[in-house]
Amino acid sequence: TQLLEQSPQFLSIQEGENLTVYCNSSSVFSSLQWYRQEPGEGPVLLVTVVTGGEVKKLKRLTFQFGDARKDSSLHITAAQPGDTGLYLCAGATGNQFYFGTGTSLTVIP
Amino acid sequence: SQTIHQWPATLVQPVGSPLSLECTVEGTSNPNLYWYRQAAGRGLQLLFYSVGIGQISSEVPQNLSASRPQDRQFILSSKKLLLSDSGFYLCGCSPNTEAFFGQGTRLTVV
Repeated sequence: TQLLEQSPQFLSIQEGENLTVYCNSSSVFSSLQWYRQEPGEGPVLLVTVVTGGEVKKLKRLTFQFGDARKDSSLHITAAQPGDTGLYLCAGATGNQFYFGTGTSLTVIP
Repeated sequence: SQTIHQWPATLVQPVGSPLSLECTVEGTSNPNLYWYRQAAGRGLQLLFYSVGIGQISSEVPQNLSASRPQDRQFILSSKKLLLSDSGFYLCGCSPNTEAFFGQGTRLTVV
């Protein structure tokens, strides 16, 4: 089993603040995905990073894949209440996707 | 793009009863299919995955089984449910290098 640890597990911030979520593993992945999940729904794919050191931006969200393809980070600038949700990273290896432990983000208006 | 249908959305079953959750996929052919279970507010635990019809790989020994009778149909079953089988079950589909998910089934075993 490939273990991915996310930190922090819980995060509560005020609207307008910046935040970073980390996803770390001792395993190397061919790609890494980030998802956001609302309560009672399935995870929704935000981004896929493939190349070590790759940086992708999605509006106020910046995703980075570590040089060794073992870790990743998600940075949100000027968080908004609509960013509230459970953020999950997932590492792909072979035919399998292994998910991180999750970060529950609450943005307070 | 692919669409994943998963049903039912919620299910309450007594201990010892059988289970059948169905997942069908549209918009893609020969995808990899997955069943995950998720504890509240936590990550997804991979239960089964399939790379083709009749091909099932199990990640975690448990009271559940999976079958893939057709290319775009994936079924999660149990002969006798345990209280510990309660959880949020997600069907996933990967047509290439990314995974997409259905809306999930909330199973409560009472």
